[in-house]
Amino acid sequence: LAKTTQPISMDSYEGQEVNITCSHNNIATNDYITWYQQFPSQGPRFIIQGYKTKVTNEVASLFIPADRKSSTLSLPRVSLSDTAVYYCLVGGNNFNKFYFGSGTKLNVKP
Amino acid sequence: NAGVTQTPKFQVLKTGQSMTLQCAQDMNHNSMYWYRQDPGMGLRLIYYSASEGTTDKGEVPNGYNVSRLNKREFSLRLESAAPSQTSVYFCASSERDRDYNEQFFGPGTRLTVL
Repeated sequence: LAKTTQPISMDSYEGQEVNITCSHNNIATNDYITWYQQFPSQGPRFIIQGYKTKVTNEVASLFIPADRKSSTLSLPRVSLSDTAVYYCLVGGNNFNKFYFGSGTKLNVKP
Repeated sequence: NAGVTQTPKFQVLKTGQSMTLQCAQDMNHNSMYWYRQDPGMGLRLIYYSASEGTTDKGEVPNGYNVSRLNKREFSLRLESAAPSQTSVYFCASSERDRDYNEQFFGPGTRLTVL
C-alpha cells in the first residue's frame, strides 16, 4: 500500500493559485492518485483523480510527472471557502484500501 | 437523493457498552466503507464491503464488527466500547469500475466513550 507525504499546512490569500504537492515514491503500476477535500465536521469530498500527465475538471487540476512519484494539486484563484484539509491518496482501483494520511491544512486569508 | 446517511449523529457510551452505527446509501453503489477519524488525523479504514454479501478488514478492524445487510445498508457494531474508540466515524460508498473509484462520504457519527 503506497503511502504519501504532504506538507502539514499551507497559507494563501484569496485570488491566488495554490499548488499542493504530494510525494508517493512507492506508487505501484496500477495505482491511481486521488485528492479529497474535507471541511470541519464534514466527510471528505472527492476533488480529482488521475493516473498520469494532467487532469483538469471544474474545480482543480492534477499534474503527474512521468515517473509518477509525486503529484501536484492546483487550485486556481482560491477563495475563503477553499479553507480545508486536502488529502492525497494513492491506491489501485482493484483494491478498496486507501491511505488518507494527515493531509494538508490549507488556510486562505482575505 | 440523500446520498450517504448515518445515524446517530452523536453518541456517548460508557466503557463496556455496545452499540451499532447505521449507514445507508441511495446511489445503488456496490462498495461501502467504514472509517474512523481521530482528532487532527486522517481517516483510517476499519472495514469495507466490496459488494453485497462480502466484507473485509481494513487497517484498524480490532474491536469492531460489520454487517452488509443489503445493497443499501452497512452497519458497524462496537461490542464492548473502549475509550480508545472515541472518534468520528464516517461511512462511504462507491461504484467501483475498472478505472475510477470516487467515494461518497456521509456526515459522520461523533462517538465518545467514557
